[in-house]
Amino acid sequence: AQSVTQLGSHVSVSEGALVLLRCNYSSSVPPYLFWYVQYPNQGLQLLLKYTSAATLVKGINGFEAEFKKSETSFHLTKPSAHMSDAAEYFCAVSLSRGGYQKVTFGIGTKLQVIP
Amino acid sequence: DGGITQSPKYLFRKEGQNVTLSCEQNLNHDAMYWYRQDPGQGLRLIYYSQIVNDFQKGDIAEGYSVSREKKESFPLTVTSAQKNPTAFYLCASSILSRPHSTDTQYFGPGTRLTVL
Repeated sequence: AQSVTQLGSHVSVSEGALVLLRCNYSSSVPPYLFWYVQYPNQGLQLLLKYTSAATLVKGINGFEAEFKKSETSFHLTKPSAHMSDAAEYFCAVSLSRGGYQKVTFGIGTKLQVIP
Repeated sequence: DGGITQSPKYLFRKEGQNVTLSCEQNLNHDAMYWYRQDPGQGLRLIYYSQIVNDFQKGDIAEGYSVSREKKESFPLTVTSAQKNPTAFYLCASSILSRPHSTDTQYFGPGTRLTVL
């Protein structure tokens, strides 16, 4: 079985401050992990993904995430928040099951950026 | 411009009516997926398809049906048997690589269905 836990359904940061969105996973096999962003009334857009090539993954818009096996974590960070970062962020874990890709999403974290 | 289109953006339905949501992709992807999104619950898989004329139930398929007559198209029908159909519906597609678990799913803009 696989699961994803996102700590904090709402996170507020000041513009220019560090963004840290937490994600912990549970997987019986080595996981592949994704972060997606969703703006209001839109679909999801891939920010970055971990596929075991490197533990520190850089994505779009200045975001990055570090895979820590010992902590079963894949937290998303950005050094300096911008107003345009306000959105909902989803962590997801993926595995192959029965010949297809099974993706389990977290419940999401809404990021508010305060001017 | 390659991508996934979903129509309509907003849809209103009366109780007891079936309604079909459109999903089209021009990315030449083999796999297509339908998800339902409810506030505070993340995304849940309804149906998926890896090849034309074949599809499989996901975690919450009851009250839904799909077809895959063309590689580019994967419409979803919400039937009157779906007890709580009001939600945001997202279609996604991916290329089938090895292993499948590394595939990126690309999402359409979604359809918001409201049952009146």
